[in-house]
Amino acid sequence: NAGVTQTPKFQVLKTGQSMTLQCAQDMNHNSMYWYRQDPGMGLRLIYYSASEGTTDKGEVPNGYNVSRLNKREFSLRLESAAPSQTSVYFCASSPAGRSAEKLFFGSGTQLSVL
Amino acid sequence: AQSVTQPDIHITVSEGASLELRCNYSYGATPYLFWYVQSPGQGLQLLLKYFSGDTLVQGIKGFEAEFKRSQSSFNLRKPSVHWSDAAEYFCALNTNAGKSTFGDGTTLTVKP
Repeated sequence: NAGVTQTPKFQVLKTGQSMTLQCAQDMNHNSMYWYRQDPGMGLRLIYYSASEGTTDKGEVPNGYNVSRLNKREFSLRLESAAPSQTSVYFCASSPAGRSAEKLFFGSGTQLSVL
Repeated sequence: AQSVTQPDIHITVSEGASLELRCNYSYGATPYLFWYVQSPGQGLQLLLKYFSGDTLVQGIKGFEAEFKRSQSSFNLRKPSVHWSDAAEYFCALNTNAGKSTFGDGTTLTVKP
């Protein structure tokens, strides 16, 4: 029972390089999310997808793009990485995106941009 | 706009002592409140949640939290802390569309 799977777990990029963070869930959830976690700042929502075929900006979307490839997969792309994007990235999902539902989290991707 | 404040960045308690982690929120309607725990190198795991009914909610690992509307608080408690409880704890508030607003977290250190 994998839950939410993120790849890669670690990544080092040079400024200006691009990369895609992958996320997949096997719980048949409708809603998926990307958060970033920075020291002393909690988790901040980058983008979310309420259902397959829809995506919306969160609190800190600049510099990122997302794709909801299908119901299972939600990827996050950095087109031109910047040092300010050094962070730990978490993908999460929830059954229907309702307020009373908890989030199911992946184990995170630690990204360093030099 | 909604917000969540965790006033304590870091708390240290002795093993076996009681614990209380504070959480205050700001939201104009009935909040959906959550406590998550994050162990090093891991994602967040739900401890407990509140959205209606009894204001004292029980969670996993012996944790409980009390919702106090008059104080806009949702403090997490545990009567006797174990060394394995050392982790980072996040309070979160859900509004609509399932989007969560998180506090900045409280790091718990447990002394032997």
